[in-house]
Formats: sequence, structure tokens, C-alpha cells
Amino acid sequence: AQKVTQAQTEISVVEKEDVTLDCVYETRDTTYYLFWYKQPPSGELVFLIRRNSFDEQNEISGRYSWNFQKSTSSFNFTITASQVVDSAVYFCALSEAKGKIIFGKGTRLHILP
Amino acid sequence: ETGVTQSPTHLIKTRGQQVTLRCSSQSGHNTVSWYQQALGQGPQFIFQYYREEENGRGNFPPRFSGLQFPNYSSELNVNALELDDSALYLCASSSGTNEKLFFGSGTQLSVL
Repeated sequence: AQKVTQAQTEISVVEKEDVTLDCVYETRDTTYYLFWYKQPPSGELVFLIRRNSFDEQNEISGRYSWNFQKSTSSFNFTITASQVVDSAVYFCALSEAKGKIIFGKGTRLHILP
Repeated sequence: ETGVTQSPTHLIKTRGQQVTLRCSSQSGHNTVSWYQQALGQGPQFIFQYYREEENGRGNFPPRFSGLQFPNYSSELNVNALELDDSALYLCASSSGTNEKLFFGSGTQLSVL
């Protein structure tokens, strides 16, 4: 069965610090997709990244980076030099071949000025 | 490019009533997924429609049903509303079944 675990319910860091959001997933499929979404206070979910199970290359996009490790079933997200605008709830999600995308419970990130 | 739009934005119903929520998908998208998000929780998958056919369903009872139309817009119907159905209902469209989701702003449903 699919499962996504975000063990960190809430994190607070001071602006300019780096922060890593953890995501651990479970799936029996060999083909699957992993996602991260951001939900700012305004409420609308915003796509950040999609990876397929065959592509373990880490990715960097500006201050954001993602570390995908199949050996530990993890897909962690790091924000470097955090800013107040990064304050939001972040969701990790998993999709198997059928298209059902399962979300974790989210990590609420507070960036303190 | 028109984004995903949902209507209504807010709705108040009483227990036992029926409700229909609507979603217009982003231009060029043929897949629509519906999610229920309770306060402080992650979105829970209800079902997905791909080219007018249901393509996967989450753990929701049959009183949650849906439709996708030829223009790829979609409806979510909930019968016999219960208090626990109070939540934010999110619609998301995509260009395929495992592609990135573009979310609407949601419909906030309150069941009294």
C-alpha cells in the first residue's frame, strides 16, 4: 500500500538558516512518482517538483534542493538561506502507475525574521 | 492560459442534504483529481477522472461520486451529507495521470 510519512509536524527556524524537510514513502511499485507541494497561508497548493522512480539525481532550483534516495525510500527537501516568504505548509506526495496521488500530512514551516 | 477554477468558494449545508461542487480544468488538461482537506491535514485523494472515465478512487464511500465532461470540466457530488464532510474540497487538473497537479483555490464546505 502507498504511504507517505512526514515526521516533522512543525519546524521553526530563523531567517537565513538552512532547513530540511523529511519525507519517507512506502510503495510496492517499481514505477512511481514523487512530488513536493507548497501551501502558503493563502491556501492554494503550488507544485514544486516531480521525480520519477528511475531518476535518482538530486536537483537544485535556486535556494531549493531535493535529495532522492531509493535505498532509504526518502525524498527530502532543503531550503537554503530561508526567507520569511518560505513560511508555508509543505507536502510530500507519491503517485503509483494508476495515478492516485497520496499526500503526507505536511510540515508547517515558520521562518522567523 | 486559464487556471483551475472552482465554484462555489464557500457553501453551507445541513446534514442529510446533497451538494455538487464544480471544477473547470486548466486549458489543455484532460485529467481532474478531487481531494478533501480537513483543517490541519494533508489532502485526501477522493478520485481521479481521465478523459471522462474514473481512473482511481480513494477510501471514500459511494455517496461521493463524480463526473467529467467532454470539455474536461468536472463535478463532485456528495449525497447524505455528514458533519465530518465539512472540509476544503480541492480540484486539481493535469495533462496526464501522473503529471504535476495544478490546484484550484478550493470550495470550503460546512455541514451543520
